[in-house]
Amino acid sequence: NAGVTQTPKFQVLKTGQSMTLQCAQDMNHNSMYWYRQDPGMGLRLIYYSASEGTTDKGEVPNGYNVSRLNKREFSLRLESAAPSQTSVYFCASSEAAVQPQHFGDGTRLSIL
Amino acid sequence: RKEVEQDPGPFNVPEGATVAFNCTYSNSASQSFFWYRQDCRKEPKLLMSVYSSGNEDGRFTAQLNRASQYISLLIRDSKLSDSATYLCVVNERGYQKVTFGIGTKLQVIP
Repeated sequence: NAGVTQTPKFQVLKTGQSMTLQCAQDMNHNSMYWYRQDPGMGLRLIYYSASEGTTDKGEVPNGYNVSRLNKREFSLRLESAAPSQTSVYFCASSEAAVQPQHFGDGTRLSIL
Repeated sequence: RKEVEQDPGPFNVPEGATVAFNCTYSNSASQSFFWYRQDCRKEPKLLMSVYSSGNEDGRFTAQLNRASQYISLLIRDSKLSDSATYLCVVNERGYQKVTFGIGTKLQVIP
């Protein structure tokens, strides 16, 4: 009964380092999303994938890239981490755009 | 004006009380609405969808007022376990316009 699985759960990086956050869902959902959550700002959409093979920018895409590897997996890459990217990152999936989203339990990322 | 606005609270209420939260949205073309619950340092979890006719799930009632552009969440007979942050979510049109409110924090006091 995994739902949406994110790895890693915690990570500390130095400025300029790169890393990839992994996300996988086992609900056969078409759509997948990456959000960041910062205090006082709510959840903000970074990128989304409406279906396998497609990706699009959300509200705050700068500094990130994504890959929809297959229907199950949607990864988020930070090419050159910056302190402003310190945040909690959530991956989510849904059957379609107007359907409720199911979230992973998050990745807490600190960039020094 | 923010696209989706919520009073961040906190709302401190005694056990057994009834509490209501509102969430206003700016785009009249918004299509779907949800309430999520988020516990401290946890992921958001769907509490309930909000339908035009209003809907109820146990102690929770959600309503949509399109004319005034807000949704509401009513919690009756509050329990300690209801303490959390409640996020409203508005889907305007498609994926890129899913907007989360900043959440309203509820603390139920013994």
